[in-house]
Amino acid sequence: SQQGEEDPQALSIQEGENATMNCSYKTSINNLQWYRQNSGRGLVHLILIRSNEREKHSGRLRVTLDTSKKSSSLLITASRAADTASYFCATDTSGSRLTFGEGTQLTVNP
Amino acid sequence: EAGVAQSPRYKIIEKRQSVAFWCNPISGHATLYWYQQILGQGPKLLIQFQNNGVVDDSQLPKDRFSAERLKGVDSTLKIQPAKLEDSAVYLCASSRTRAGELFFGEGSRLTVL
Repeated sequence: SQQGEEDPQALSIQEGENATMNCSYKTSINNLQWYRQNSGRGLVHLILIRSNEREKHSGRLRVTLDTSKKSSSLLITASRAADTASYFCATDTSGSRLTFGEGTQLTVNP
Repeated sequence: EAGVAQSPRYKIIEKRQSVAFWCNPISGHATLYWYQQILGQGPKLLIQFQNNGVVDDSQLPKDRFSAERLKGVDSTLKIQPAKLEDSAVYLCASSRTRAGELFFGEGSRLTVL
């Protein structure tokens, strides 16, 4: 079974709006990572947040981690049509294996 | 630096045939992963190598799937015989450290008819 579960499964917004995706997981983690996948392409790493961190920023991306609730969120601010992609969270529970969720399909309409 | 290279990009075979995928990771990356991604789902780890040793192959269907990593660099993933449910994208990834940032190739899309 998958460790991480993203919510919502699909999200459609207008350009310029913010997009928020959530990830919940079941067991304690060492770190949590977010990846983006454009249609027909491989996954691209976005950001890694460690279990002792609460928030990280990278450009228009903001990731939060709440280990007490076993959840993380990815916020994309001022979205662009080029942000249209699937977004996956991946959890490292044992220091060796990354387990991916099912993903959120984000569509940004021009 | 050069990215993770995979081939072939596309492969169509009949069920019960065999197929092999090749991966060349980023130079210096000790850890190599093969993931299976079925359409509409997240990637599922099949096997993980640390240098040329297997770290995790608990989700690899060993009756039909095999993988090796030659001299701790290139890797091949083989399916023999293929089943219809093996239709998926096979993604290779590498990382400097275990469970660190993964760098993915473009994937090999397999269609089994």
